[in-house]
Amino acid sequence: QKEVEQNSGPLSVPEGAIASLNCTYSDRGSQSFFWYRQYSGKSPELIMFIYSNGDKEDGRFTAQLNKASQYVSLLIRDSQPSDSATYLCAALYSSASKIIFGSGTRLSIRP
Amino acid sequence: GAGVSQSPSNKVTEKGKDVELRCDPISGHTALYWYRQSLGQGLEFLIYFQGNSAPDKSGLPSDRFSAERTGGSVSTLTIQRTQQEDSAVYLCASSLAEGFTDTQYFGPGTRLTVL
Repeated sequence: QKEVEQNSGPLSVPEGAIASLNCTYSDRGSQSFFWYRQYSGKSPELIMFIYSNGDKEDGRFTAQLNKASQYVSLLIRDSQPSDSATYLCAALYSSASKIIFGSGTRLSIRP
Repeated sequence: GAGVSQSPSNKVTEKGKDVELRCDPISGHTALYWYRQSLGQGLEFLIYFQGNSAPDKSGLPSDRFSAERTGGSVSTLTIQRTQQEDSAVYLCASSLAEGFTDTQYFGPGTRLTVL
């Protein structure tokens, strides 16, 4: 079992709709979780991190964490074509000296 | 200001050769991270330097990999006796504060191809 799992996609969402990206993790001791966006051929960039159960909102992005279910999600409201990218979920290992990434979900926003 | 820079941008080497990859973090950033990304895959964490502390090397994939950070600034990732499975993009990132929760700024990466 992979330590951080994501659906590889592609996930196709119409422009203006809500895109929902999901991630599960296996290390119950993980405390912090991250969402990165990576455009094709480019380096990743951090969108958000979350460490408390519940929701964390930043503009059009909302991260959701459910530690009991070991589940993290990222919602993108009012999706734009520029949101088309691969989204990487990551969990900070309980030892806090290692970060584990999922293989990413490819998101495509269709005009 | 300048971002994270990495050199070389591309490296083609023959199996069995040693390679050195360099990372110049953003000035003043205390933490430096190395990752690699194989084609179509997510990021694989390799090693993390925080301040002057000795790094946790458990993420390095084999003992052919080593990394150092001199003077709390520039870092070098060395791969000895390269193998074809080492082919990947090697990414370096730095952050102002220590700990993964501070925003990491990534460099453009070094694309390593082992023939």
